[in-house]
Amino acid sequence: DSGVTQTPKHLITATGQRVTLRCSPRSGDLSVYWYQQSLDQGLQFLIQYYNGEERAKGNILERFSAQQFPDLHSELNLSSLELGDSALYFCASKKGANTGELFFGEGSRLTVL
Amino acid sequence: QQQVKQSPQSLIVQKGGISIINCAYENTAFDYFPWYQQFPGKGPALLIAIRPDVSEKKEGRFTISFNKSAKQFSLHIMDSQPGDSATYFCAASKGGAGSGNTGKLIFGQGTTLQVKP
Repeated sequence: DSGVTQTPKHLITATGQRVTLRCSPRSGDLSVYWYQQSLDQGLQFLIQYYNGEERAKGNILERFSAQQFPDLHSELNLSSLELGDSALYFCASKKGANTGELFFGEGSRLTVL
Repeated sequence: QQQVKQSPQSLIVQKGGISIINCAYENTAFDYFPWYQQFPGKGPALLIAIRPDVSEKKEGRFTISFNKSAKQFSLHIMDSQPGDSATYFCAASKGGAGSGNTGKLIFGQGTTLQVKP
């Protein structure tokens, strides 16, 4: 158990819908990273937050947004869902802003029908 | 310049054999090179990591070899066991206190390892 908690574990929804994925980082970790894992794209970095502030942005679509709350949990919002958004979404956390080991949650599997 | 290329895509090894997975990177600013292990239905977990000031790091049956001049690094699994069957990802990041350093990991495409009993 990495200490990173993600909910829901599985989510099935229809195209055009909106979903929210939730992540609770390890106790004491200030940085949260979101990754998307699909069969053909591997693990793609989406976005990073550090202590409530956006710190880095990767290949995140405009239909997607995220935030980190004062209690350090984070949410990834996916809207106007398309079939191609079906993937595993991982949250990871670490103590610092840059260095240190990155701990991953078990992921949220999103299926868009 | 941000890519990390990993090979092979899949690997089958007999129990007791040596598994070797290779990665290459382009960005010379990367200064942290971890390997992650992922079992089905689980998130990636750190296996072993190296920084570019050493050429080799060993932890139990797992060894990272690092060639800074060639911009390549590899994972060697000695005495491979069926329990090692998983997907392995190499990664690279630029950490440190410099501006713009976020510690985000850039992952290779992954290698699915099957160790036959």
